[in-house]
Amino acid sequence: KNEVEQSPQNLTAQEGEFITINCSYSVGISALHWLQQHPGGGIVSLFMLSSGKKKHGRLIATINIQEKHSSLHITASHPRDSAVYICAVEAGTASKLTFGTGTRLQVTL
Amino acid sequence: SAVISQKPSRDICQRGTSLTIQCQVDSQVTMMFWYRQQPGQSLTLIATANQGSEATYESGFVIDKFPISRPNLTFSTLTVSNMSPEDSSIYLCSVERGREAFFGQGTRLTVV
Repeated sequence: KNEVEQSPQNLTAQEGEFITINCSYSVGISALHWLQQHPGGGIVSLFMLSSGKKKHGRLIATINIQEKHSSLHITASHPRDSAVYICAVEAGTASKLTFGTGTRLQVTL
Repeated sequence: SAVISQKPSRDICQRGTSLTIQCQVDSQVTMMFWYRQQPGQSLTLIATANQGSEATYESGFVIDKFPISRPNLTFSTLTVSNMSPEDSSIYLCSVERGREAFFGQGTRLTVV
């Protein structure tokens, strides 16, 4: 069993829809990261969370430490949001990340 | 924020050869991380590179196959040695600053 599980694996939405991507983890963590990977392979950091909720534009990320669960929400989705969204957890002191398998999002017109 | 310049962005290599990937960070960082992403898979940590000491490799990765250099606090290289088609992957370097992770643009390697 992977330490970090994401769902769904694939998601297709129409423009304007509200999107939720879930991440569950099985280990104690010091932080959780949400990352965005575009088809070329480059990765951009969206959020780093250790508790509560963060918002940036149309993106919202929440984390529940007790339940070992985090969600990434995209409001008013747009085709440019199409990418792979990756959850990664940070445990221990070496700042190494353990990654989920990613959620491939396709937003259509 | 941190800017990481990674090169090459992609390469097609013959089996049995070696490829060296470079990452240059715009400011000093203590640790640099090298990841591999095999087709359709998530990222897997290869090793952690500290300046002035030997890299620390994760289970399943060895120095002879993936030698790493870290000559100063802004630069690191990863070499993929004696390549086989199974080494075809995206390789990424990463640093953490201010609790945020930053990644190079990735090197898409195809071994034929």
